[in-house]
Amino acid sequence: NAGVTQTPKFQVLKTGQSMTLQCAQDMNHEYMSWYRQDPGMGLRLIHYSVGAGITDQGEVPNGYNVSRSTTEDFPLRLLSAAPSQTSVYFCASSYDSFSYNEQFFGPGTRLTVL
Amino acid sequence: EDKVVQSPLSLVVHEGDTVTLNCSYEVTNFRSLLWYKQEKKAPTFLFMLTSSGIEKKSGRLSSILDKKELFSILNITATQTGDSAIYLCAVEDSNYQLIWGAGTKLIIKP
Repeated sequence: NAGVTQTPKFQVLKTGQSMTLQCAQDMNHEYMSWYRQDPGMGLRLIHYSVGAGITDQGEVPNGYNVSRSTTEDFPLRLLSAAPSQTSVYFCASSYDSFSYNEQFFGPGTRLTVL
Repeated sequence: EDKVVQSPLSLVVHEGDTVTLNCSYEVTNFRSLLWYKQEKKAPTFLFMLTSSGIEKKSGRLSSILDKKELFSILNITATQTGDSAIYLCAVEDSNYQLIWGAGTKLIIKP
């Protein structure tokens, strides 16, 4: 199993550009989520999905869109990048939303917006 | 507003020392508290605690929860340089959402 994979590992964008961060898992997990991690602030939930076709907003959803067309993939789209979105982004998955003790994280994407 | 506060924010000790990391919380409708270790990349799960006073142990790491005083501690004995990491605490609420602390950065000097 590859676990949770994320691409790209690093990305630099200019203000106003759009892009998609990719996340995939091969563990047949129903629950997937996106976090951002900023210095001194811990992890903050952006969006999450409890299964294919179902997504919901987390704590900081503004400026981001997600979709879940398959169980495996959960891409995060930045619509119009802003410097405030400079952060490290983690995708995570677990069997369901009750299984945080079995939650796996991807390696992260470090995004810089100039 | 729900919050999770970890202390200290950073800690430097020498190899072989014992460290205690703290996590206090104010979360309505508490379900569980989780500890993660984050080295260079992704956080990895350490412990999930749901009941007061029951110690969870894994090798040199142990953790306990006090639901009356609303805190948890993570102990690491006989520290090694490989224990250097950020240790994250998160509390799960009744909506199955995690509220994360800012983390404690632990540095172990040889």
